[in-house]
Amino acid sequence: QITLKESGPTLVKPTQTLTLTCTFSGFSLSTSGVGVGWIRQPPGKALEWLALIYWDDDKRYSPSLKSRLTITKDTSKNQVVLTMTNMDPVDTATYYCAHSTGVAWGQGTLVTVSS
Amino acid sequence: EIVMTQSPATLSVSPGERATLSCRASQSVSSNLAWYQQKPGQAPRLLIYGASTRATGIPARFSGSGSGTEFTLTISSLQSEDFAVYYCQQYNNWPLTFGPGTKVDIK
Repeated sequence: QITLKESGPTLVKPTQTLTLTCTFSGFSLSTSGVGVGWIRQPPGKALEWLALIYWDDDKRYSPSLKSRLTITKDTSKNQVVLTMTNMDPVDTATYYCAHSTGVAWGQGTLVTVSS
Repeated sequence: EIVMTQSPATLSVSPGERATLSCRASQSVSSNLAWYQQKPGQAPRLLIYGASTRATGIPARFSGSGSGTEFTLTISSLQSEDFAVYYCQQYNNWPLTFGPGTKVDIK
């Protein structure tokens, strides 16, 4: 059974850097073809892919957010970390991590950006 | 970036009726199209991938069709638990993109 869980702060101030960790089980990020990604959803709005990292360390970023995002993996810990710099109130959203096939998602974590 | 559009924005259906949801891509995504169901306060759940293959555990009343730029999700007989928001998503090109969603509510 594949499970994923997001962790990180629920409140960040404008201009701060957000760091989110996805801890997963039931699969390995060293297996060929496997990836883990981050998706966000502002309240009442649609879903948006942010970043994706594959087993071979290939990384993909949303073009509109690329300058602010960094995704890394720690295969030994079964974790993927997303950092987003220069947070703004418009970045308030539920942040999800998910298996690259979409077959499993974390429960999501609501991050509020406010001073 | 491939833009996904969905219609209608809201679909009002009575339990037991058939629901047909549409999704269109701004350019061909072949069959690299997934459908998700999302209920309030929950993460999306994968229903369909490859445009027409049901994910594990998804009831047979959900079916997907289409290829290229035009796709359809059909729910043959709506159950109470099917009232939710449905999103299509292409995974043919990065960035992966979702449609804006179709809300299926009770008529």
